[in-house]
Amino acid sequence: DIQMTQSPSSLSASVGDRVTITCQASQDINNYLNWYQQKPGKAPKLLIYDASNLETGVPSRFSGSGSGTDFTFTITSLQPEDIATYYCQQYDYVPWTFGQGTKVEIK
Amino acid sequence: QVQLQESGPGLVKPSETLSLTCTVSGGSISRYYWSWIRQPPGKGLEWIGYIFYSGSTNYNPSLKSRVTISVDTSKNQFSLYLSSVTAADTAVYYCARFVPNYFDYWGQGTLVTVSS
Repeated sequence: DIQMTQSPSSLSASVGDRVTITCQASQDINNYLNWYQQKPGKAPKLLIYDASNLETGVPSRFSGSGSGTDFTFTITSLQPEDIATYYCQQYDYVPWTFGQGTKVEIK
Repeated sequence: QVQLQESGPGLVKPSETLSLTCTVSGGSISRYYWSWIRQPPGKGLEWIGYIFYSGSTNYNPSLKSRVTISVDTSKNQFSLYLSSVTAADTAVYYCARFVPNYFDYWGQGTLVTVSS
């Protein structure tokens, strides 16, 4: 299985801060990488697909980059409504796998 | 607007079979891939498997010996069957649509507890 390693597992930042989460795949997954946001008690929501494409309707403060094994997810200006857990997910190889999640909190 | 809704028992006894159904509304199931994903309480997401509307399937090898996913296009539904469950199968189970290349619509999730 492809292991997806997210870092950090949690972070605390102030409103307006730039937040960066990394996701490393155990082998090359090209750009077959998505990012999801999950709020407590809710289903995950797609934010970024194919590593860097913003899903329709998602605020532009969210972005993604990377290819191969190393990927980055960025929130340019953290907002209170961004409090959630964020997951990366690869779909290059079956079984499709998710990172362990990064919990984002407000300082 | 496509909507997915999981249904099924919230409590299953150990060694029995977990059965869940996902009803798709606002769109036809006769397109794309339809998946099950689960999340143990307080933990991360695990992909269980998918079915294409034609009936072809792909399962997570870690569960393959116990999992069956089926589709009923006449009812716009697909179902999950997980046999020989243990407490480790306690989780919120989500159904989701996979359009190449991402999960775009999800159900709200349903908690299934395995306990006697």
